[in-house]
Amino acid sequence: EAGVTQFPSHSVIEKGQTVTLRCDPISGHDNLYWYRRVMGKEIKFLLHFVKESKQDESGMPNNRFLAERTGGTYSTLKVQPAELEDSGVYFCASSRQLAATSGANVLTFGAGSRLTVL
Amino acid sequence: AQSVTQPDIHITVSEGASLELRCNYSYGATPYLFWYVQSPGQGLQLLLKYFSGDTLVQGIKGFEAEFKRSQSSFNLRKPSVHWSDAAEYFCAAKNYGQNFVFGPGTRLSVLP
Repeated sequence: EAGVTQFPSHSVIEKGQTVTLRCDPISGHDNLYWYRRVMGKEIKFLLHFVKESKQDESGMPNNRFLAERTGGTYSTLKVQPAELEDSGVYFCASSRQLAATSGANVLTFGAGSRLTVL
Repeated sequence: AQSVTQPDIHITVSEGASLELRCNYSYGATPYLFWYVQSPGQGLQLLLKYFSGDTLVQGIKGFEAEFKRSQSSFNLRKPSVHWSDAAEYFCAAKNYGQNFVFGPGTRLSVLP
């Protein structure tokens, strides 16, 4: 099966501009997650979709970040307007339906989208 | 608060030498535990996971990890490192129904 795909791999923008990151999860994976790693620090949770619904968005830093998952397939993460502290690597991950089975707890990650805000 | 720590930011070993990467967790109850690796330009790849049972877990690429409840640790080991193992390694934990908590990562360099 194809893996989790993220676009673009690297984006360089100026402060105040808008950037949209896209994630295509593995087909059939209802759960889609966004994570972020800022400047070599730990990878932090941003939000979690179950199909098209936001299950948990407690990790979203502020209202400049908007995530969508129309139709429960691919997802976009928009940053508008971007600030310097938004620079980092944004990871997307997906998994099958949540269940008590061990396999459901494993995430498959994409290669990440590196965002540089100047 | 739940947390995962990796005390070593950067480790350098010679090819063929043994490796141990440390991971400690702070959770109310034993969480599910994972090790992921990220090679340059690649996504995070699952090396191994611990849910319950045997405390010594075998993973891919010759890696293993040992869960020690008394030390709240889940250290990753490999008896003989290859140059292709140079990458960044992340320990992670989660409880059922909650989200993953990652450690800060350990960057591994391998000397020829």
